[in-house]
Amino acid sequence: GAVVSQHPSRVICKSGTSVKIECRSLDFQATTMFWYRQFPKQSLMLMATSNEGSKATYEQGVEKDKFLINHASLTLSTLTVTSAHPEDSSFYICSATKGAGGEKLFFGSGTQLSVL
Amino acid sequence: RKEVEQDPGPFNVPEGATVAFNCTYSNSASQSFFWYRQDCRKEPKLLMSVYSSGNEDGRFTAQLNRASQYISLLIRDSKLSDSATYLCAVNTGFQKLVFGTGTRLLVSP
Repeated sequence: GAVVSQHPSRVICKSGTSVKIECRSLDFQATTMFWYRQFPKQSLMLMATSNEGSKATYEQGVEKDKFLINHASLTLSTLTVTSAHPEDSSFYICSATKGAGGEKLFFGSGTQLSVL
Repeated sequence: RKEVEQDPGPFNVPEGATVAFNCTYSNSASQSFFWYRQDCRKEPKLLMSVYSSGNEDGRFTAQLNRASQYISLLIRDSKLSDSATYLCAVNTGFQKLVFGTGTRLLVSP
């Protein structure tokens, strides 16, 4: 089956630093990837839609200058949390769709970010 | 009103019990519907898609009621391994999934 790889799985950083999270589709090309964030005991909230070769589309309330998304190839999207603060501590997870219908959505294993 | 709403639970049931979860959605133009299972701090895993005609996969049955805008998941003969959070998800178009907060299920011996 399709596999989406996400790295790192866990990162601890100091406040003010930037953190990059990678999401790769390993055996299929993903023109569209999605980035979600999940706080404890809450739902996965869509942050942005990452489109290969074009700018990401951000959901309302998500700061595009803080959460930089780059989708430079058909198999890689990156999310950079710039100048991270403790309130950015969360579980970040990417997903990619396979197929034109978009019915199959495959998730990465997630990244637990802890900002001290 | 949230786009997708679920009772967060937890639902505490004994092994062998039957348990049902409901999920309501607000966008009547929603196109497709899913149930996911999520274990603590793991990625969601697709449990099943939900169709208007209803669909069954072993002990799991999912149904969609478009008129009332809700989907349901029924788990029969609960196992300890069924303990997890069950998320409903709605495709609102453009391949975007909106998730509910999840319903936590605890199956006890």
